[in-house]
Amino acid sequence: KQEVTQIPAALSVPEGENLVLNCSFTDSAIYNLQWFRQDPGKGLTSLLLIQSSQREQTSGRLNASLDKSSGRSTLYIAASQPGDSATYLCAVGDYKLSFGAGTTVTVRA
Amino acid sequence: SAVISQKPSRDICQRGTSLTIQCQVDSQVTMMFWYRQQPGQSLTLIATANQGSEATYESGFVIDKFPISRPNLTFSTLTVSNMSPEDSSIYLCSVIPRGSGTNEQFFGPGTRLTVL
Repeated sequence: KQEVTQIPAALSVPEGENLVLNCSFTDSAIYNLQWFRQDPGKGLTSLLLIQSSQREQTSGRLNASLDKSSGRSTLYIAASQPGDSATYLCAVGDYKLSFGAGTTVTVRA
Repeated sequence: SAVISQKPSRDICQRGTSLTIQCQVDSQVTMMFWYRQQPGQSLTLIATANQGSEATYESGFVIDKFPISRPNLTFSTLTVSNMSPEDSSIYLCSVIPRGSGTNEQFFGPGTRLTVL
């Protein structure tokens, strides 16, 4: 069974600082790794998807890397803004996703 | 991507009753799923909603408790039956759009259920 871990559980940074969020998984035979954002009491917004054959994906200020051999993915958010405050979830799977517990980010103005 | 709506957005229900949650997508999708997010927890997959046939349930979830329907390519319902306070959660549907080459999943806004 795939286990997904996200560290740290919470993170608080001043505005403008770069964010580094970590995700690790136990089974390296993954199909996709997907990063989501969840605002309090809301659904999930897909941020980036990395297929197993890819090493990284970028969208605007977001960059996600994937290292299957070590079972890790990292989400980088450049020049953080207060609007980036949310919980970030990573999920691994083909179409059945296994989720980490998330990292709750607070960006202080 | 896909635009997904869920009804109701939230509800407060009495113990022993049932609630049916609807998930509507603005375009045809190949796969639809139902997830549960208990308070302070991450998401857990309940089942895959199969069009025109019985849903495929994950370990720990059964059809009698969580009956699911999917009559067409854009709509599904999840019923939470004989509710107890432990069923208080956010229930989310997700989809993989038709023609997706990546299996990227998109989620609805969720239904927040409180059982008293």
